[in-house]
Amino acid sequence: GAVVSQHPSRVICKSGTSVKIECRSLDFQATTMFWYRQFPKQSLMLMATSNEGSKATYEQGVEKDKFLINHASLTLSTLTVTSAHPEDSSFYICSAPLGSTDTQYFGPGTRLTVL
Amino acid sequence: GNSVTQMEGPVTLSEEAFLTINCTYTATGYPSLFWYVQYPGEGLQLLLKATKADDKGSNKGFEATYRKETTSFHLEKGSVQVSDSAVYFCALSRANEKLTFGTGTRLTIIP
Repeated sequence: GAVVSQHPSRVICKSGTSVKIECRSLDFQATTMFWYRQFPKQSLMLMATSNEGSKATYEQGVEKDKFLINHASLTLSTLTVTSAHPEDSSFYICSAPLGSTDTQYFGPGTRLTVL
Repeated sequence: GNSVTQMEGPVTLSEEAFLTINCTYTATGYPSLFWYVQYPGEGLQLLLKATKADDKGSNKGFEATYRKETTSFHLEKGSVQVSDSAVYFCALSRANEKLTFGTGTRLTIIP
């Protein structure tokens, strides 16, 4: 099946710093990728849709200046959490659909802890 | 809009028991339906899918049938194992659209 990777898998940073999370489709191209946030024991919350070659589409209530998304190529999307604060601590997961299908493949997730 | 309602957990079963996790949906048209599984500390893995009415998705002993008349996609397994302990998410989507998830059902299998 299709493989999506994320890097790093785990990051701890100080409050006020910025953190970049990478999402890569390893064996397929993805013009669209999705970024989710998951709180403990809860479902996934869609944050934004990343579009290759154009601006990301953010869900209501998600601060686009705080969560910067760049879809640099057909295999890479990045999420940068700017000026991170403890409340940004969470599990961030990306996904990508395979071709024009409706099936999305998920990365393994990135655990962000802001001290 | 689209929505997915999942059986609330947590669910605890003994090994080799029969499993059913209920899932119903509301959507316009004919979305595809999915079950994803999340093991502790990991991302989601696609467990199975069905793309049209009466389709049955199956994988690793799990099955679910797309029932349009009852708008359901219940997950079943005849004999669960300890290694099946995880969180299970029911979801729906169309091509290149975002997934709509249920709240997830935490399953624990005890030996």
